[in-house]
Amino acid sequence: DTEVTQTPKHLVMGMTNKKSLKCEQHMGHRAMYWYKQKAKKPPELMFVYSYEKLSINESVPSRFSPECPNSSLLNLHLHALQPEDSALYLCAAGDANTGELFFGEGSRLTVL
Amino acid sequence: GQSLEQPSEVTAVEGAIVQINCTYQTSGFYGLSWYQQHDGGAPTFLSYNALDGLEETGRFSSFLSRSDSYGYLLLQELQMKDSASYFCAFLSGSARQLTFGSGTQLTVLP
Repeated sequence: DTEVTQTPKHLVMGMTNKKSLKCEQHMGHRAMYWYKQKAKKPPELMFVYSYEKLSINESVPSRFSPECPNSSLLNLHLHALQPEDSALYLCAAGDANTGELFFGEGSRLTVL
Repeated sequence: GQSLEQPSEVTAVEGAIVQINCTYQTSGFYGLSWYQQHDGGAPTFLSYNALDGLEETGRFSSFLSRSDSYGYLLLQELQMKDSASYFCAFLSGSARQLTFGSGTQLTVLP
């Protein structure tokens, strides 16, 4: 069982679609993260929210739009994606002081 | 700039000991973490070193030398289930972001 829950597990979308990825945690961690991972590559940081405020945006294209409605939820809104955006999108929550992040199982996105 | 280097592949036999090295370059360094990821799974946390020295957790140990910008993960009594990718990651910056190395694919042979 994972303490960070991501939905959907799989998503296929066209380049003109709008969709959202959702992440939920109830561990009380105040830092939440979105990472993107391609096959055989390391997770790449996209966004960091600290106390529900966006603290890092790693120059991610505007077709990815994060949202943190409250301390338990993190969304990633997707619009006009490209096929090269196909990847595993990982949400994580953790204590920024300990280097310990709890990852969800990820949402595997395919853009056609 | 920021970088982490670790070997791309390591192979060992069951019962053996293996060490995965990691060298890093960054400013605002807080500590070094290690994560394990099985194919199709999520990264799972193994250890974190903020200070120099060795941290031991069961069969796994992690070492950090801040002066050498170097760390390693030591896996003892290898089991088949230890076959996975292992990532070192440093915690850095004012927002304490975690940046991952390229990963080491460990294969444990019977």
